[in-house]
Amino acid sequence: QKEVEQNSGPLSVPEGAIASLNCTYSDRGSQSFFWYRQYSGKSPELIMSIYSNGDKEDGRFTAQLNKASQYVSLLIRDSQPSDSATYLCAVINSGYALNFGKGTSLLVTP
Amino acid sequence: DAGVTQSPTHLIKTRGQQVTLRCSPKSGHDTVSWYQQALGQGPQFIFQYYEEEERQRGNFPDRFSGHQFPNYSSELNVNALLLGDSALYLCASSFGVASNIAEAFFGQGTRLTVV
Repeated sequence: QKEVEQNSGPLSVPEGAIASLNCTYSDRGSQSFFWYRQYSGKSPELIMSIYSNGDKEDGRFTAQLNKASQYVSLLIRDSQPSDSATYLCAVINSGYALNFGKGTSLLVTP
Repeated sequence: DAGVTQSPTHLIKTRGQQVTLRCSPKSGHDTVSWYQQALGQGPQFIFQYYEEEERQRGNFPDRFSGHQFPNYSSELNVNALLLGDSALYLCASSFGVASNIAEAFFGQGTRLTVV
């Protein structure tokens, strides 16, 4: 079983702080990595994709990938209460299927 | 630009019945994948359709079947429903030639309740 692991949380951060979400994966052959945000009762919404080692920035979001250590992280700067949601890490190991972690619940407190 | 659309949004079925869920992909996309999401879990891959063929299948029984039409829309069929089939069913679309790297976008989901 090719695993994607996330801390379920909840991760609580004050408004304006940096939220750091982490994900590890077991398959060294994984090639594509994604972060999705899912509000309660809604469907996942794509935030970021990353394919090569290093950082990728998009607005307040930064994805970081380290293939040697088999982890991918998401940083959210200047966190807002509207960022409160479950964040899903997804990996394509081989083939075409997204393999999801169980998600990390983020709570941004005013 | 229409995103991924799914129908219906909610459905209640009785154990043993059959159900059909529908999905229209995002404009420009030709690949449809189906996922099942139980409460508190991440989505689980059911299968993917590309060029009207099932290209990859997850660990789901044969009670789960699908179809893709020439206009790229897709159906998910579940036969002999079990209580454990109650979940949010998600459709995701992507661009098929590079689906192993392509970004996938989800529809709003169909909430299926089996009683």
